[in-house]
Amino acid sequence: KQEVTQIPAALSVPEGENLVLNCSFTDSAIYNLQWFRQDPGKGLTSLLLIQSSQREQTSGRLNASLDKSSGRSTLYIAASQPGDSATYLCAAAQGGSEKLVFGKGTKLTVNP
Amino acid sequence: GAGVSQTPSNKVTEKGKYVELRCDPISGHTALYWYRQSLGQGPEFLIYFQGTGAADDSGLPNDRFFAVRPEGSVSTLKIQRTERGDSAVYLCASSRDATGGSPLHFGNGTRLTVT
Repeated sequence: KQEVTQIPAALSVPEGENLVLNCSFTDSAIYNLQWFRQDPGKGLTSLLLIQSSQREQTSGRLNASLDKSSGRSTLYIAASQPGDSATYLCAAAQGGSEKLVFGKGTKLTVNP
Repeated sequence: GAGVSQTPSNKVTEKGKYVELRCDPISGHTALYWYRQSLGQGPEFLIYFQGTGAADDSGLPNDRFFAVRPEGSVSTLKIQRTERGDSAVYLCASSRDATGGSPLHFGNGTRLTVT
């Protein structure tokens, strides 16, 4: 059974800092790995999707990497801004299934 | 519409009652998903539709939960004989297709409270 873990559970940084959020998964037979952000009381917003054949994806100040052999993905946020404050969730899609298994998220606070 | 729409945004019901939660996906999206999120947890998969058929309903917790998508667009999640443990935010998502390369677009959810 796939399990997804995110460390740390919460992170507070000053504005402008570069930061890394970590995600690990137990079963490397994944279909894809997705990163989402969730603002309080809202649904999830897709940030990046890395297919199993890819190593990384970039969008603006965000870069996500995938290492299936070690069961890890990282989300790198460059030059953080207060507007980046949210909960970041990673989710793994198991091979042959459209079912996403989510971690509990990392709550990020960027202080002005 | 511009995004996934879920109604109602909040629903309070008494234990034992029946509830229906509605999801309007993005127009043209063939895949539709239901997830449930409890406080402090990540979303938990319930069911996924490809077109009109339920392709995977392995996440439905028991036979009190049922979902339909009769015309391949709008979906309704139905919960019978609600229990206090059913209280959670129910999230709906859609994607263009189910190839694994299409990101999921989530609605804002329906917060269900069973008293």
